[in-house]
Amino acid sequence: DAGVIQSPRHEVTEMGQEVTLRCKPISGHNSLFWYRQTMMRGLELLIYFNNNVPIDDSGMPEDRFSAKMPNASFSTLKIQPSEPRDSAVYFCASTFNSGGARIGGEQFFGPGTRLTVL
Amino acid sequence: AQRVTQPEKLLSVFKGAPVELKCNYSYSGSPELFWYVQYSRQRLQLLLRHISRESIKGFTADLNKGETSFHLKKPFAQEEDSAMYYCALSGLIQGAQKLVFGQGTRLTINP
Repeated sequence: DAGVIQSPRHEVTEMGQEVTLRCKPISGHNSLFWYRQTMMRGLELLIYFNNNVPIDDSGMPEDRFSAKMPNASFSTLKIQPSEPRDSAVYFCASTFNSGGARIGGEQFFGPGTRLTVL
Repeated sequence: AQRVTQPEKLLSVFKGAPVELKCNYSYSGSPELFWYVQYSRQRLQLLLRHISRESIKGFTADLNKGETSFHLKKPFAQEEDSAMYYCALSGLIQGAQKLVFGQGTRLTINP
């Protein structure tokens, strides 16, 4: 298994443009997480899905951010319009949640997408 | 509020010296605590979890509920331990199960 796959690995765009980040979780995992990493705030949870359903999006900074998970093997995080302060590394992670267990535990992270908004 | 605090953003020690990365948490229940590590050019990965009471790569961490701490320790640091370390808490937060990370500590082991 190649692990969690994210694309693109690097994205440079101009303010106001739409940005779409993609994630393919590990096959068999049913929980997927989007995180943002910055120097100032560290690693922040943006949103997570359980069985393709968004469970908690309280970490999404504002309406410019949206995330979807149309099926068990694909998720997107979209920023529209993008702003310079969105520049960060965005990580996707996945895990298997048996239902009664806590979310969390060992999450498997992708390599991240480094986003730069000029 | 549920929170994980890593007071040191940077920590530098010499090879062979003991190392301790501090982690304090705030949680109104029984949390699960973890340490994640990110080596240069590698993915963030789980290092250890408190329920396992294991030693990984010479590192140990004891959950101290009285002090609400989960410090990561290693008696003799090695150069390959240089990495970014994140303490994380798993629990019910604002109605949803979450993994909350501290801000991370960048550990540098000097030769």
